Amino acid sequence: AQSVTQLGSHVSVSEGALVLLRCNYSSSVPPYLFWYVQYPNQGLQLLLKYTTGATLVKGINGFEAEFKKSETSFHLTKPSAHMSDAAEYFCAATPWAGNLIFGKGTKLSVKP
Amino acid sequence: DGGITQSPKYLFRKEGQNVTLSCEQNLNHDAMYWYRQDPGQGLRLIYYSQIVNDFQKGDIAEGYSVSREKKESFPLTVTSAQKNPTAFYLCASRPDRGWTSGRAPTGELFFGEGSRLTVL
Repeated sequence: AQSVTQLGSHVSVSEGALVLLRCNYSSSVPPYLFWYVQYPNQGLQLLLKYTTGATLVKGINGFEAEFKKSETSFHLTKPSAHMSDAAEYFCAATPWAGNLIFGKGTKLSVKP
Repeated sequence: DGGITQSPKYLFRKEGQNVTLSCEQNLNHDAMYWYRQDPGQGLRLIYYSQIVNDFQKGDIAEGYSVSREKKESFPLTVTSAQKNPTAFYLCASRPDRGWTSGRAPTGELFFGEGSRLTVL
């Protein structure tokens, strides 16, 4: 079965430090990949997406992600964390058949 | 502005009552979805609809019902058969029908702001 795995349900970083949120997918064929962000009691907002082409994808708020087919990974990074980045982040994939598959989410805390 | 509107934002229900959550989109999207979110469990698909007058069960459809009489509307009814309805419910839409339309999907999901249902 297709799946999306996010390593770490909680990640804590200091303000100004590197943010790295990990996402791996299971698929024999590269799907389309997405990262969403959710603030408390709000819906999900798209950060970035990979469909085809360049494997390094830039998104909003300074985030970027790199698609690595050999590692079936799509990790999300940001060079310098800001307090406003504290939220829950979801990785998702669209396989060849079926609907979007979401990971269980990673809550990011940013310490001053 | 175009978007997805969910109402109400907060809803309280007594046990044994049915409640309906509204979802309206003015994005002219074909497909619409309902997800349930519980802490630590991510998003779980309840129902989805790829075209008017048609919908399919998702992974956790028991105790829920939907209708799709208009392209822009996809209401969700939480029935008394749903044993644990307290949750955050998210409605989403997508401009295409995904891979099942015979071509690669072109768009991501667009989400509403969610509705929090609490059973008293």
